Amino acid sequence: KNQVEQSPQSLIILEGKNCTLQCNYTVSPFSNLRWYKQDTGRGPVSLTIMTFSENTKSNGRYTATLDADTKQSSLHITASQLSDSASYICVVSGSDSWGKLQFGAGTQVVVTP
Amino acid sequence: GAGVSQTPSNKVTEKGKYVELRCDPISGHTALYWYRQSLGQGPEFLIYFQGTGAADDSGLPNDRFFAVRPEGSVSTLKIQRTERGDSAVYLCASSRGQQETQYFGPGTRLLVL
Repeated sequence: KNQVEQSPQSLIILEGKNCTLQCNYTVSPFSNLRWYKQDTGRGPVSLTIMTFSENTKSNGRYTATLDADTKQSSLHITASQLSDSASYICVVSGSDSWGKLQFGAGTQVVVTP
Repeated sequence: GAGVSQTPSNKVTEKGKYVELRCDPISGHTALYWYRQSLGQGPEFLIYFQGTGAADDSGLPNDRFFAVRPEGSVSTLKIQRTERGDSAVYLCASSRGQQETQYFGPGTRLLVL
């Protein structure tokens, strides 16, 4: 069973609107959680990284939250732009194997004019 | 270099053939990672190197897959007796250290006919 689950699988939003993506994980012991953006045909690009003690991190119009107690994270996109159309992947690292990241399947976001 | 590069960008081969995929990490990055990504899925961990040695190869699916990094820089992923199920995008990433942000290459799209 995948240790990182994301929802929704996909969503379509109008340009200028906000949206929130969800990530639940079971990876333990926990080290950190990252959100990556992956454009079609490209490698993933890191947006945010949060450790156990952090509960929010922003990168421009992207804001990630983390609740390490409930093992949940969210990524909020504010005032979406057409260039935000991509797959957003939640990635969790366990403290017992630093380099072995656990990836979610991603949420495919389509921003329409 | 400016980023992680991977060659070839696309590879088409026949079932049973041998293929090599190359990754050039960012200069100075000691950690290097290989992932496999199937359509509509998040990347799946294969192996990661710290320097020249494989620190964790638990994601390699079977003994047909092998990776090397002889001088601690460039890495080659080798697949013997390819099968149609090996068709995927193979992503490489590098980081300054084990817990640092991973920077991904564009991937090699492998198609086994």
